[in-house]
Amino acid sequence: AQSVTQLDSQVPVFEEAPVELRCNYSSSVSVYLFWYVQYPNQGLQLLLKYLSGSTLVKGINGFEAEFNKSQTSFHLRKPSVHISDTAEYFCAVSVGGGFKTIFGAGTRLFVKA
Amino acid sequence: SQTIHQWPATLVQPVGSPLSLECTVEGTSNPNLYWYRQAAGRGLQLLFYSVGIGQISSEVPQNLSASRPQDRQFILSSKKLLLSDSGFYLCAWAGQGATEAFFGQGTRLTVV
Repeated sequence: AQSVTQLDSQVPVFEEAPVELRCNYSSSVSVYLFWYVQYPNQGLQLLLKYLSGSTLVKGINGFEAEFNKSQTSFHLRKPSVHISDTAEYFCAVSVGGGFKTIFGAGTRLFVKA
Repeated sequence: SQTIHQWPATLVQPVGSPLSLECTVEGTSNPNLYWYRQAAGRGLQLLFYSVGIGQISSEVPQNLSASRPQDRQFILSSKKLLLSDSGFYLCAWAGQGATEAFFGQGTRLTVV
């Protein structure tokens, strides 16, 4: 079975500072990896995804993530955050083409002025 | 383009009352459909998924049930709500063989 661990439940950071949100997964088979963002009382929006190929994936809103197979990690990064990036971020894995997506517990990013 | 509708947006129900949350998808056919629950500070828990009409798989034992009476309709139900059923419920769909799920706007359920 697959599982996802998001190592930080909350990450406070000042505006224009860089940020990294950590995600580790476990799976005995190849997986697809995703990062979603959730703004208060809304559904989830896809930020980026890794399916295959280049291990560095670029997404929307200036975010990027790097797939590291040996460390089974898929950390999300942004070089300079904005107040509007304050939200909850979820790392997720799926097997076999999105049949079933498993989510981590989420990381709440709080950007301070 | 594909869209997903989920309603109601908020719901307050007394303990012991029934529940029916509806989700519909437009612009696609034969989608995989999912119900997730998000409890405070606990991330998203997959409750049910469906790969076709009348085909429902349950991920966790609970007080809830799901049905798929039509190809693009997914319903979450309960006969008698418990306080522990409170949470934010999200419906999602994915295309057959697709690689990502698309989410509705969610329903915040408060059981009082």
